[in-house]
Amino acid sequence: AQRVTQPEKLLSVFKGAPVELKCNYSYSGSPELFWYVQYSRQRLQLLLRHISRESIKGFTADLNKGETSFHLKKPFAQEEDSAMYYCALIKNTGNQFYFGTGTSLTVIP
Amino acid sequence: DGGITQSPKYLFRKEGQNVTLSCEQNLNHDAMYWYRQDPGQGLRLIYYSQIVNDFQKGDIAEGYSVSREKKESFPLTVTSAQKNPTAFYLCASSNRGYSYEQYFGPGTRLTVT
Repeated sequence: AQRVTQPEKLLSVFKGAPVELKCNYSYSGSPELFWYVQYSRQRLQLLLRHISRESIKGFTADLNKGETSFHLKKPFAQEEDSAMYYCALIKNTGNQFYFGTGTSLTVIP
Repeated sequence: DGGITQSPKYLFRKEGQNVTLSCEQNLNHDAMYWYRQDPGQGLRLIYYSQIVNDFQKGDIAEGYSVSREKKESFPLTVTSAQKNPTAFYLCASSNRGYSYEQYFGPGTRLTVT
């Protein structure tokens, strides 16, 4: 069963425009949600996690349990934000991560 | 970067041969993971290990085997039973326990012909 869904494979926005990368999950318990990012020629790395409620590189993500979503947002996209973004979930009962299929973000200058 | 290494970067094998991918970490992490990354499918978990001498199957373990004899090492063997072995393989490690960040290696691209 698909636990994490990222509906957009590709997303293009202009520099300075707002950006939102969608993530929906299916899990009846209390999951922890993450966003991972992979910049060109770099390793996959953690961007942010919902439990920290922090803003990293201008990105924020709010866990909406009613809509089972964890969308990633940034008010003004920058060219250096171009990357592959993965939403991930870990169940509160174990140590196994479930990743979405990823969204490739391109910020057009 | 650094801390978790995978070798080699590219690997080529003939069909029917087993091949072992290396993953080493010096982060003193208890947990280690192997993922397979295919275009349009994201990361899928093959095996994970939370402690030395113990490991569990992930969602797509068939045709793969692992060992965890040392804390710092978690090699993955792709056997001839794996029907579609050509892929990009990622290793990761984390502290054991709920919600710890995973640190990823650079990956190994395996091509089987």
